[in-house]
Amino acid sequence: DAKTTQPNSMESNEEEPVHLPCNHSTISGTDYIHWYRQLPSQGPEYVIHGLTSNVNNRMASLAIAEDRKSSTLILHRATLRDAAVYYCILRDMIGKRGGSNYKLTFGKGTLLTVNP
Amino acid sequence: NAGVTQTPKFRVLKTGQSMTLLCAQDMNHEYMYWYRQDPGMGLRLIHYSVGEGTTAKGEVPDGYNVSRLKKQNFLLGLESAAPSQTSVYFCASSYSTANQPQHFGDGTRLSIL
Repeated sequence: DAKTTQPNSMESNEEEPVHLPCNHSTISGTDYIHWYRQLPSQGPEYVIHGLTSNVNNRMASLAIAEDRKSSTLILHRATLRDAAVYYCILRDMIGKRGGSNYKLTFGKGTLLTVNP
Repeated sequence: NAGVTQTPKFRVLKTGQSMTLLCAQDMNHEYMYWYRQDPGMGLRLIHYSVGEGTTAKGEVPDGYNVSRLKKQNFLLGLESAAPSQTSVYFCASSYSTANQPQHFGDGTRLSIL
């Protein structure tokens, strides 16, 4: 199974940028890197995903290292509403090899605290 | 937009009772999933469905059954509830399992006494 490593927790100040790191040294050439976040008492929420190039959307930016063994989720201006657990995920195959269905394996993620 | 709706939001059961959790999505997604989330363990896949009328086992399927009679609904059943099934249950849906985002409901908090 592809795996990721994230810090257990990080802290930021409101309106400052936040860089959330993720290591995925065993990533395969076809694995996309997915980021989700989970606010308190809510279900996970998709943030962004990418393969090789850096990606931007309205929520965040994803910077992917050239060797793809690490990536960084960037929140450009943290708000109190961004306080959540952030998950960096690689997909895993469901069942036996040779299948065509994949799942997202959610680890423990990084708990982001945003200070006012 | 409703997205993914889970019913009920909370439930308390006694050991041995049965119940069904309902998940409904209005995005015309082919794929639907049931996860459970326990403290310190992240989300684990229970069962999933790749389309109407089909279901398959995930990581932790024992003690659960599912049905996908309509494309928009995915039901999770507990035939004989056990305390080990106390958890928060999340339903999700997506266009595919490849690299399409999964959309999650807000969860069902289930306690088995």
